[in-house]
Amino acid sequence: AQSVTQPDIHITVSEGASLELRCNYSYGATPYLFWYVQSPGQGLQLLLKYFSGDTLVQGIKGFEAEFKRSQSSFNLRKPSVHWSDAAEYFCAVGDQGYGGSQGNLIFGKGTKLSVKP
Amino acid sequence: DAEITQSPRHKITETGRQVTLACHQTWNHNNMFWYRQDLGHGLRLIHYSYGVQDTNKGEVSDGYSVSRSNTEDLPLTLESAASSQTSVYFCASSQDRSSYEQYFGPGTRLTVT
Repeated sequence: AQSVTQPDIHITVSEGASLELRCNYSYGATPYLFWYVQSPGQGLQLLLKYFSGDTLVQGIKGFEAEFKRSQSSFNLRKPSVHWSDAAEYFCAVGDQGYGGSQGNLIFGKGTKLSVKP
Repeated sequence: DAEITQSPRHKITETGRQVTLACHQTWNHNNMFWYRQDLGHGLRLIHYSYGVQDTNKGEVSDGYSVSRSNTEDLPLTLESAASSQTSVYFCASSQDRSSYEQYFGPGTRLTVT
């Protein structure tokens, strides 16, 4: 079965510093991968997605992610963090199995990002 | 603009009462999903639907039910609310089973006393 792991529950970075949030997946073939962001009290918003092609994906709000098949990873990065980036971030993989849930997303448990002034 | 809305945004109810949370989308999406979000558990799938008259159980479906009578709406019913169902509930939709990208509503915070 497919799964997603976000190893870091909580990360704190200083404003202006770079950011990397880790995501590992398990799936034998090419996965469909997503990053979502959830600001406090709000729903989830899609940051970026990877289906195929260029392994470096650009998203909204200055975020990017790189698909590395050899490491089964899809880490999210941002070169300079702003205070408004404080939120919870979820990695997800598309369920491409042959069961009844094909088309669903499998979410990691999330990483909470705090930003120090 | 197309959107997905949830109502109410906040609800307090008593143990044993029946509660229905509404979800309405104007994307004309085939797929709709209900999740609950709890600290330490992330998002957990409750029920989902791939179209009108289609409903499926997710990983935490006990005590919940849904029905899909049209494309736009997927109401979530708690048959007899329990304190363990205190949570934040999110509705989401996606175009079809090949698109995967889900759009989320703003959430409903439910407290069962």
